[in-house]
Amino acid sequence: GNSVTQMEGPVTLSEEAFLTINCTYTATGYPSLFWYVQYPGEGLQLLLKATKADDKGSNKGFEATYRKETTSFHLEKGSVQVSDSAVYFCALLGTGGFKTIFGAGTRLFVKA
Amino acid sequence: NAGVTQTPKFQVLKTGQSMTLQCAQDMNHNSMYWYRQDPGMGLRLIYYSASEGTTDKGEVPNGYNVSRSTTEDFPLRLLSAAPSQTSVYFCASSRDQGGYTFGSGTRLTVV
Repeated sequence: GNSVTQMEGPVTLSEEAFLTINCTYTATGYPSLFWYVQYPGEGLQLLLKATKADDKGSNKGFEATYRKETTSFHLEKGSVQVSDSAVYFCALLGTGGFKTIFGAGTRLFVKA
Repeated sequence: NAGVTQTPKFQVLKTGQSMTLQCAQDMNHNSMYWYRQDPGMGLRLIYYSASEGTTDKGEVPNGYNVSRSTTEDFPLRLLSAAPSQTSVYFCASSRDQGGYTFGSGTRLTVV
């Protein structure tokens, strides 16, 4: 079946550091891929998405590229801020499906 | 722009009590979902509804019930609360293959 694996956290970075959170997936066909962010005490928010191979999703300085050859969708940001501290979830929606599969989440702490 | 509205935000129940968590969306999304979030367990799907009038079980449906009589509303009923149902509950909605819009959650404690 479909699955998502993302790197375990927590990830602790200093402000302005480069961020990578790894995400790999297993799926048949051509799934859509997503990154969600959850700030403390809030619900998840859609951060970015990509619906086909080689698509790059981007939002708020975050980027992720849909790599079918490596079945990956790694999240990157060039310079993190304290306000980026949150939990990040990689997610997959199978072709024609309704149910999104979420990774376990990666907590990011950014120190000033 | 209300998006997805969940009520209540906090609730304490005694074991054996029943209650309904409310969820409403104003985006005319066809699909709606209920998840629970527990430390170390990630997000687990309880029930979902692909369209008005249809519902299906997710990973952890036992002890819960849902209905989808309108496009906007998707209430989650706890039939007889148990301490194992202490969790944060999130409702979400989506259109077709798009991403989810989540509510802000209901924090439920069963004592």
